[in-house]
Amino acid sequence: LAKTTQPISMDSYEGQEVNITCSHNNIATNDYITWYQQFPSQGPRFIIQGYKTKVTNEVASLFIPADRKSSTLSLPRVSLSDTAVYYCLVGDGRNTPLVFGKGTRLSVIA
Amino acid sequence: GAVVSQHPSWVICKSGTSVKIECRSLDFQATTMFWYRQFPKQSLMLMATSNEGSKATYEQGVEKDKFLINHASLTLSTLTVTSAHPEDSSFYICSAPRGQGASGEGYNEQFFGPGTRLTVL
Repeated sequence: LAKTTQPISMDSYEGQEVNITCSHNNIATNDYITWYQQFPSQGPRFIIQGYKTKVTNEVASLFIPADRKSSTLSLPRVSLSDTAVYYCLVGDGRNTPLVFGKGTRLSVIA
Repeated sequence: GAVVSQHPSWVICKSGTSVKIECRSLDFQATTMFWYRQFPKQSLMLMATSNEGSKATYEQGVEKDKFLINHASLTLSTLTVTSAHPEDSSFYICSAPRGQGASGEGYNEQFFGPGTRLTVL
């Protein structure tokens, strides 16, 4: 059973900021939150990972509230190439497998 | 970042034959690897955990005699689909966590292979 809940799909125009929120009400103390991106017929690609507060890298930001029961992936100024499925996963990173939920299918429109 | 490769990237076979898929960690050692299966428009489903030097652990509903897993070395795990049937046609993906050996500190990021598209005729 997946530990996370995300919107099934989202649409956005090019150049807009996209925020995808994930619920993980039963997150454990040792769990980290990781987001992956997947294009058709490719393996998932790591985007960003965090434990609490805010994390930012060159492609995205991750906002995690104090209770850690949710997280929001923020993609600034999306382009057509950002059209993909985005997965939010939680896990303790102790060589345990990641359990994938349904993910969010983001469609970027010109 | 760390690289995980898979071979072949795609394969077509006849029903009843066996197909072997390789998963390699190219620049790090992996005592554990994971195998997933993904059907069109669906999410990744965990099939099994591959352990170097010991038997694989299969998820409920996955036939261990049909999906043979061998973790031959610290950089190679193989998945063999035996007596393949059209319903086994799918996208198979492996992953490996890096940073194994740490006894509890930090986070072991998982790296995914590019996937193998299996089509059984």
